[in-house]
Amino acid sequence: EAQVTQNPRYLITVTGKKLTVTCSQNMNHEYMSWYRQDPGLGLRQIYYSMNVEVTDKGDVPEGYKVSRKEKRNFPLILESPSPNQTSLYFCASSLLSGTGNQPQHFGDGTRLSIL
Amino acid sequence: SQQGEEDPQALSIQEGENATMNCSYKTSINNLQWYRQNSGRGLVHLILIRSNEREKHSGRLRVTLDTSKKSSSLLITASRAADTASYFCATDAGAAGNKLTFGGGTRVLVKP
Repeated sequence: EAQVTQNPRYLITVTGKKLTVTCSQNMNHEYMSWYRQDPGLGLRQIYYSMNVEVTDKGDVPEGYKVSRKEKRNFPLILESPSPNQTSLYFCASSLLSGTGNQPQHFGDGTRLSIL
Repeated sequence: SQQGEEDPQALSIQEGENATMNCSYKTSINNLQWYRQNSGRGLVHLILIRSNEREKHSGRLRVTLDTSKKSSSLLITASRAADTASYFCATDAGAAGNKLTFGGGTRVLVKP
C-alpha cells in the first residue's frame, strides 16, 4: 500500500531535549515536505526536499533541521525544542513534474507537546 | 501568510444536501488543489484543477476555478455523514520548491 509513515504519532517532551520525527514514503517520490498545523493558521511549510541531499527552507524553518540522505526518508529534527513548537506536524511527498505540482500524499501526523 | 482563504469557516448540513465552499487567493497560480482532512488524520488529496481549466468533476465533487476573480469553489453533492471533515484549498503559485500554500480550511458537519 502506498503510504507516508510518520513516527511517533504522539510525543510529550520537555524544553531543550532533542527529538527527531521520522518520515518514510514507499512511492519513490522525489519531493518531500514538512508542515506544521496550528489552529487559525492552517498548514505552514517548514522545510522541503526536491531529491536526495537537496533541502531548502519553507515559510517557518526556525528551530528545525532536516536531512535527506535516502530518497524514502526525510526526518525532522528539533535540536532544542521550545513550547512554541507545540503543534501537529505532517510529512508529505509527491512526484515532481515539470507541469506543476502533483498531488501530495500526507502522513497521519505527529502531535508534539513541548512542556 | 495564507494564499488561500476558505469561506465559510464552518458549515453544517443535513445528509443528502449539497455543500459548497469557496476559496479565494491573492496571486497568479499554476494550479489549485482541494484536500480533505478527517479529524486526527492527514490530508487526503481530492482534486487538482489547473489554471487553464474552469471546471472539474470527480464523483460527487465538482470544482470550479475563476482565475479572473482568483477564486475556486468545491461542491459536494448529495452529502453523506462520511463527508464530515475539514476541507482545504492549496495553491501552487510557481514558487521555488513546488510549494503549496494552504488556506485555513472549512469544517463541514453532515448530520444524519
